[in-house]
Amino acid sequence: KAGVTQTPRYLIKTRGQQVTLSCSPISGHRSVSWYQQTPGQGLQFLFEYFSETQRNKGNFPGRFSGRQFSNSRSEMNVSTLELGDSALYLCASSLADSTGYNEQFFGPGTRLTVL
Amino acid sequence: AQSVAQPEDQVNVAEGNPLTVKCTYSVSGNPYLFWYVQYPNRGLQFLLKYITGDNLVKGSYGFEAEFNKSQTSFHLKKPSALVSDSALYFCAVRDRGAGGGNKLTFGTGTQLKVEL
Repeated sequence: KAGVTQTPRYLIKTRGQQVTLSCSPISGHRSVSWYQQTPGQGLQFLFEYFSETQRNKGNFPGRFSGRQFSNSRSEMNVSTLELGDSALYLCASSLADSTGYNEQFFGPGTRLTVL
Repeated sequence: AQSVAQPEDQVNVAEGNPLTVKCTYSVSGNPYLFWYVQYPNRGLQFLLKYITGDNLVKGSYGFEAEFNKSQTSFHLKKPSALVSDSALYFCAVRDRGAGGGNKLTFGTGTQLKVEL
């Protein structure tokens, strides 16, 4: 079974631009979550989507947004990029069955550098 | 709010010796705890989880973790370390969040270095 895939793997942008990152979950997984990883702040939760609806949101400004499509694929968008947005962005998918106990499986991440 | 603490930034151990990576948690309600490992330039790999049941949880690659409710700890252990175990280890607690569902709160990570 194929794992979580994220595209692109690397991105370089300049301040003020916007960027869109893509995530394809493991087949059959309906929950997709996004995390930001930086050396200073560690791993921080951005948002979770389930059945095309945002179910949870972390403490990030409105410049960070996302969506999920009917095939469970997800995208996140960051507008008006700032230097501090440079990070590894990780996507994770989960089976999200009725037990709620499922682990999340992570993709390799997209390394975003803002110049 | 849920939180986890990993008190050691780095743990050094000789190959063949047992290793322990510490984690303590603070949650309201029942804790759902996870360990993940991250190799350089890679995403996180799931190692094991505690939901309920036996306090000793066995996971991937020979790792296990001991849940201790009275000490609110969930330490990761392996009886005999390998050089290939050298990586960054994260403890996490699941928070259902206001909307239900999944949200992981991570510790700051512990760099494990296994030396020959």
